[in-house]
Amino acid sequence: SQTIHQWPATLVQPVGSPLSLECTVEGTSNPNLYWYRQAAGRGLQLLFYSVGIGQISSEVPQNLSASRPQDRQFILSSKKLLLSDSGFYLCAWSAGQTGELFFGEGSRLTVL
Amino acid sequence: GEDVEQSLFLSVREGDSSVINCTYTDSSSTYLYWYKQEPGAGLQLLTYIFSNMDMKQDQRLTVLLNKKDKHLSLRIADTQTGDSAIYFCADRDTGRRALTFGSGTRLQVQP
Repeated sequence: SQTIHQWPATLVQPVGSPLSLECTVEGTSNPNLYWYRQAAGRGLQLLFYSVGIGQISSEVPQNLSASRPQDRQFILSSKKLLLSDSGFYLCAWSAGQTGELFFGEGSRLTVL
Repeated sequence: GEDVEQSLFLSVREGDSSVINCTYTDSSSTYLYWYKQEPGAGLQLLTYIFSNMDMKQDQRLTVLLNKKDKHLSLRIADTQTGDSAIYFCADRDTGRRALTFGSGTRLQVQP
């Protein structure tokens, strides 16, 4: 069966510090991969998605970036965090015609 | 751009039925989805419906789709305290590979 892992689960970082969140998927090959952000009390905002290694689509301009160095690995990064980057970051994968997403457990980032 | 809207809060008594509503704007939506999020956790897929269907039933869950009015609803029969969570609807159109989510409806079940 397929599983998705995200880490770290919780992160507290100072403004201006770098960020790296990692996500890996097991049990499937060539999945579509996604990063969403959920601000407190709000819905999900799509940040990036990837349909293959090295292929990244960005949905909103921001100081975040994403990379997909391997088929089942998706990384969210920042060189310098802003206060507004605080939130709950969710990685997800999909495969197949019906397009449903399967989410990881999330990474809660607090920027102070 | 496309938009998905939901009411923010719903409170019901244990044993009653819950109906969570959602409207969307994208007429080219092919699939529509319902997700559940418990506190501090990721989103769990509950069910989805193809856009050429009017209804889908899965145990206590019934999804109704009115494509003409772009209205989607999720009915939970015999609501239990364990159903307390945030429920998100989402849609997908053929032009994008990602889902667009509503802001979520917080369901509170009173014992």
